Amino acid sequence: QKEVEQDPGPLSVPEGAIVSLNCTYSNSAFQYFMWYRQYSRKGPELLMYTYSSGNKEDGRFTAQVDKSSKYISLFIRDSQPSDSATYLCAMSAVSGTYKYIFGTGTRLKVLA
Amino acid sequence: NAGVTQTPKFQVLKTGQSMTLQCAQDMNHEYMSWYRQDPGMGLRLIHYSVGAGITDQGEVPNGYNVSRSTTEDFPLRLLSAAPSQTSVYFCASSPGTAIEKLFFGSGTQLSVL
Repeated sequence: QKEVEQDPGPLSVPEGAIVSLNCTYSNSAFQYFMWYRQYSRKGPELLMYTYSSGNKEDGRFTAQVDKSSKYISLFIRDSQPSDSATYLCAMSAVSGTYKYIFGTGTRLKVLA
Repeated sequence: NAGVTQTPKFQVLKTGQSMTLQCAQDMNHEYMSWYRQDPGMGLRLIHYSVGAGITDQGEVPNGYNVSRSTTEDFPLRLLSAAPSQTSVYFCASSPGTAIEKLFFGSGTQLSVL
């Protein structure tokens, strides 16, 4: 079993829909959680970064961490065709190191 | 501001050939790293550096060498290419105070025949 599991998709939604992207993990030591967005043939770019449990909001994006369930989510409100990309979760047990574990990514298509 | 620049964008090698993937950043970041991205595997860390003259191995270092002689550059060398090294390679950097905020280059797509 992988340490981080992520549904590869593709997930297709109509424009304006609320999108929910999820990752589950098995290592209870993970404390730092990140979401990256990757457009086709581009490098990933950091969207959201959260520490420990709780929610964090940035515009149309909300990151949620449930450590008791070992489950993290990224919600996208009012989704746009420009949100079509692959979304990668990443997590780490220790800050200040490169010991991140990345999910395999979920491909999202927002249809106009 | 160019950010993280990787060259080449595409490369085809024959088994046994060697080559160097170039990575340069102009943000004065202390931390630089190399990842490979394979279908169904996610991003995996090959090597990383916490500053000029300091490098360390990541999760999948075999078959790759790195060096860091300047803050700006972090080349990745394939010593003797194998088909298993066919992948998309990303260089990433981050500022010393926010290592979780990785800035990625646009990648090098490598095929080894």
